[in-house]
Parts: sequence; structure tokens; C-alpha cells
Amino acid sequence: NAGVTQTPKFQVLKTGQSMTLQCAQDMNHEYMSWYRQDPGMGLRLIHYSVGAGITDQGEVPNGYNVSRSTTEDFPLRLLSAAPSQTSVYFCASSYSSRGGNYEQYFGPGTRLTVT
Amino acid sequence: GEDVEQSLFLSVREGDSSVINCTYTDSSSTYLYWYKQEPGAGLQLLTYIFSNMDMKQDQRLTVLLNKKDKHLSLRIADTQTGDSAIYFCAERRSGGYQKVTFGTGTKLQVIP
Repeated sequence: NAGVTQTPKFQVLKTGQSMTLQCAQDMNHEYMSWYRQDPGMGLRLIHYSVGAGITDQGEVPNGYNVSRSTTEDFPLRLLSAAPSQTSVYFCASSYSSRGGNYEQYFGPGTRLTVT
Repeated sequence: GEDVEQSLFLSVREGDSSVINCTYTDSSSTYLYWYKQEPGAGLQLLTYIFSNMDMKQDQRLTVLLNKKDKHLSLRIADTQTGDSAIYFCAERRSGGYQKVTFGTGTKLQVIP
């Protein structure tokens, strides 16, 4: 299993450009999430999905869209990039185990810089 | 609201024990997790503890949970240079998959 893969690893965008961060998992996990990691802050949830066709907003969803047409893929779209979106983005997938636990598996991250 | 706090930095000598601490505010926590992040990589789950337990041991790792004080710690015995990384605690609350809050991370530096 490749686990959770993310592309690209690095990206530089100009303000106003759009792009899609790709995320895929091959573990047949129902649940997937996108987080951003900023210096001095914990991971913050952008959007998440509890199954194919079902997505919802997290803590910081503004400026981002997601879709989940298949179990495997969960792309994150930046609609019009802003310098405040400079961050490291992590995708995670998870399954639900007994007792309400969800063990999350993280991708290697995409480092995005918006100039 | 939910808040999870950690100290930013810890330095230990190789072979010593490391203790990384975490405090949280939400009393409805169900599971608490410790993740390790190596440079340039994603978070890797190290261990977790259910909220009705007070201790869990897994090889060199010992997790202690004081639910009354809302305090979680991770002890790494015989710390090695390969343990140098950022360690995140995370708190899961009841109510669904999205109900998890991460701490700010503690950077562990192991001095040879």
C-alpha cells in the first residue's frame, strides 16, 4: 500500500491564481480530511469527508473547495490564492474503529507559497 | 472552546528519558493521541489512550493521563537521536470524525 499520497510536494502561486492539491489513499478509508499547518499553531481542519459524495466544512474553510467523487480521491481547490494561504497542507484518511476511535493516516504534505 | 496546549521545545541528552506534556480543556474527550512529525514529513500516529485509562505502555513509550487535571504526557525511555522530531498531542471529542483538536507541537532535540 502507498498509503496517503499528495501532489505536488511544493508549489508557488501568485495572488489570484487557482490550483488543485491532489490527495489519494489506497486503504479504502471512508473518512478523509484536509488540514493546514502554520508556525506556532496546531493543525487546523479545512474540510472533511465522511464518504464518497459527502463533504463538510471544518474550522477554516474560506477560500477552499473540496469534492469526493470516489473513495480514493479528495482534491482541495484554492479558488483565488491569497498570501494568507501560504502554509503546509496535509491530507489525512481514517477508518472508524470500535468505540468511536478514528486512527488518522497522514500524507507527506504540500508546501504552498503564495506571493 | 477546545484548546490543547504544549510547550514549544524540549532538549534532552541521548540515553535520558524525555517527558512531553500536554494540557487540554474539553472534559468530553474520548481519545487522546500522540503523533510524531519528522522534518519534511506528515504526522505519524505513535500511540493513543482511551479517556477512561490512566496509563498505557508501548515499548519505550509511556502515556500518562490525568483526567481530573486534563493533563497528558508522553515519556520516551532511553531517548535516541532518531527520536528528534516534533510531537503533537491531539484530543478527540464525541460527536463525529471531525471533532479532533491538535496541539501546537513540541520540538524534541536529542543531544548526542
